[in-house]
Amino acid sequence: DGGITQSPKYLFRKEGQNVTLSCEQNLNHDAMYWYRQDPGQGLRLIYYSQIVNDFQKGDIAEGYSVSREKKESFPLTVTSAQKNPTAFYLCASSTPRPNTEAFFGQGTRLTVV
Amino acid sequence: AQKVTQAQTEISVVEKEDVTLDCVYETRDTTYYLFWYKQPPSGELVFLIRRNSFDEQNEISGRYSWNFQKSTSSFNFTITASQVVDSAVYFCALSERSGGYQKVTFGTGTKLQVIP
Repeated sequence: DGGITQSPKYLFRKEGQNVTLSCEQNLNHDAMYWYRQDPGQGLRLIYYSQIVNDFQKGDIAEGYSVSREKKESFPLTVTSAQKNPTAFYLCASSTPRPNTEAFFGQGTRLTVV
Repeated sequence: AQKVTQAQTEISVVEKEDVTLDCVYETRDTTYYLFWYKQPPSGELVFLIRRNSFDEQNEISGRYSWNFQKSTSSFNFTITASQVVDSAVYFCALSERSGGYQKVTFGTGTKLQVIP
């Protein structure tokens, strides 16, 4: 089945450690996105990528990094510089056209302990 | 700058009641696209409907209907005869081209609870 897979579903991290969230898609989509979801704030864009080896900062990129070495994969690293990393992270993909819907993974809930 | 406002944070209705979720947007572009997504407790957002800025025809799909009005910059979503399975968070989103890229802005979501 085509879709987006995020792993792990739950992730615990000690303060000061970097952690990488995985996102893989087999929909052959060029565009991929990372969103952060906090209660009452909706989805906020962290990074997006329209093609391989290219990515752009979203609205809240500070403390995060990404790579796009393969079309299928768009991992997100939450660095120790991110002051408040505990949140629900959603990965999405779509075609680059603005009139197409995005397909979402099931999310990763990151908790810093 | 584009903006999407969902003023209703949480709504509770009794099963079989109708419920309307409001969405108001702001954009300077003449070409844009509006979406509704549903987020059940599992966490994954599911696409429900898309509308482009040139198509104000309202749509009905089963128990769902959408009312798009450019004059008031609104794209409201109505569930008729609500069911417990409709309980979820619903997001309205606005998509437009920005600097050669697709930029999508989401509202803050409306949490719908349908009580049996």
